[in-house]
Amino acid sequence: QKEVEQNSGPLSVPEGAIASLNCTYSDRGSQSFFWYRQYSGKSPELIMSIYSNGDKEDGRFTAQLNKASQYVSLLIRDSQPSDSATYLCAVNRRGGADGLTFGKGTHLIIQP
Amino acid sequence: KAGVTQTPRYLIKTRGQQVTLSCSPISGHRSVSWYQQTPGQGLQFLFEYFSETQRNKGNFPGRFSGRQFSNSRSEMNVSTLELGDSALYLCASSLGQGNREQYFGPGTRLTVT
Repeated sequence: QKEVEQNSGPLSVPEGAIASLNCTYSDRGSQSFFWYRQYSGKSPELIMSIYSNGDKEDGRFTAQLNKASQYVSLLIRDSQPSDSATYLCAVNRRGGADGLTFGKGTHLIIQP
Repeated sequence: KAGVTQTPRYLIKTRGQQVTLSCSPISGHRSVSWYQQTPGQGLQFLFEYFSETQRNKGNFPGRFSGRQFSNSRSEMNVSTLELGDSALYLCASSLGQGNREQYFGPGTRLTVT
């Protein structure tokens, strides 16, 4: 079982719609969860972090965490063509000195 | 604030050689982590440094090593390069001390021929 799993996509969403990206993780001890956006040829950019169950909103982005189901999601409202990128889910498996474990990413395409 | 900087941005080396990559974290950040990104394996954790001490290491051979200086700048070294070491090497900095939000630099693209 992979530690952090994402659907590789591509996920195609029309402009203006809501894009929903999902991620599951295997380690129940995971404490910190992050979403990164990576444009082709660029490095990952942190867009959201979430640490407790529930929703966290930042502009057009909402991160959702359900630790019981070991599930993290990212919603992008009013999707724009500029949102087209690969979205990486990352998990900090322990609260201390441990690196982030990344999923392989979901390729999102926003169709004008 | 300036972001994370990495040098060099591109590097071409020959099998058997060694290479040193450099990373300067965001001002005030004391933790530096290194990752390797390849199309097949994705982003994989190499190691993390905080206050000049390696806090944790990923599942990579001993040919991969690193260090951190008193100004938080970090270097990683890969010895006896193999073709499979061709990758994008990313450095990320964070405040440390439990703050796990990591900010990535632009990366160093290493090609081994």
